[in-house]
Amino acid sequence: GAGVSQSPSNKVTEKGKDVELRCDPISGHTALYWYRQSLGQGLEFLIYFQGNSAPDKSGLPSDRFSAERTGGSVSTLTIQRTQQEDSAVYLCASSPRGGDNQPQHFGDGTRLSIL
Amino acid sequence: QQQVKQSPQSLIVQKGGISIINCAYENTAFDYFPWYQQFPGKGPALLIAIRPDVSEKKEGRFTISFNKSAKQFSLHIMDSQPGDSATYFCAASRTSNYQLIWGAGTKLIIKP
Repeated sequence: GAGVSQSPSNKVTEKGKDVELRCDPISGHTALYWYRQSLGQGLEFLIYFQGNSAPDKSGLPSDRFSAERTGGSVSTLTIQRTQQEDSAVYLCASSPRGGDNQPQHFGDGTRLSIL
Repeated sequence: QQQVKQSPQSLIVQKGGISIINCAYENTAFDYFPWYQQFPGKGPALLIAIRPDVSEKKEGRFTISFNKSAKQFSLHIMDSQPGDSATYFCAASRTSNYQLIWGAGTKLIIKP
């Protein structure tokens, strides 16, 4: 069956440009997570969506970062005025619902490089 | 209180040997402890998970050992194979909470 799909797989852009990263979760999964993984590092939580509830944005590192989830399915993570320190792999995960020990299913990420 | 400390940062094991990765936590409210495996260029994938009502869980060559009093848990990979070379992450959460608290990861290399 289809897993979590992320696009683009790679993105190279100049400092100061805006970028949009897309995540297509597994059909029927109501919980969606965004993480950032810097080279050789662990996962840094960014934002969590659950159904129609207000998202948990507590992990967003600055107001240049925003995310939305339309119709409870596809999500986009937007980074405005990109900086070199934004270079990382951005991972999306979904689960049937939040909590209750539901495993998170990850996409393969978007590798973002800021020149 | 929210941290999960993982060690070692990297590990090299000979083929056929036992790989052991350790994690420690502080929050006694945690009741779910998964391990994820990540290959280069891929997202992490759930490998095995344990709840604190058991001290050990085995799936094939992979075993989680859990010590509730010490607030520690570990992943053992028996008969390690080159195909096991990957980065392994431990994590912890409360059943009632959606957020996983992640360890920093261990890069495992199995030498043929």
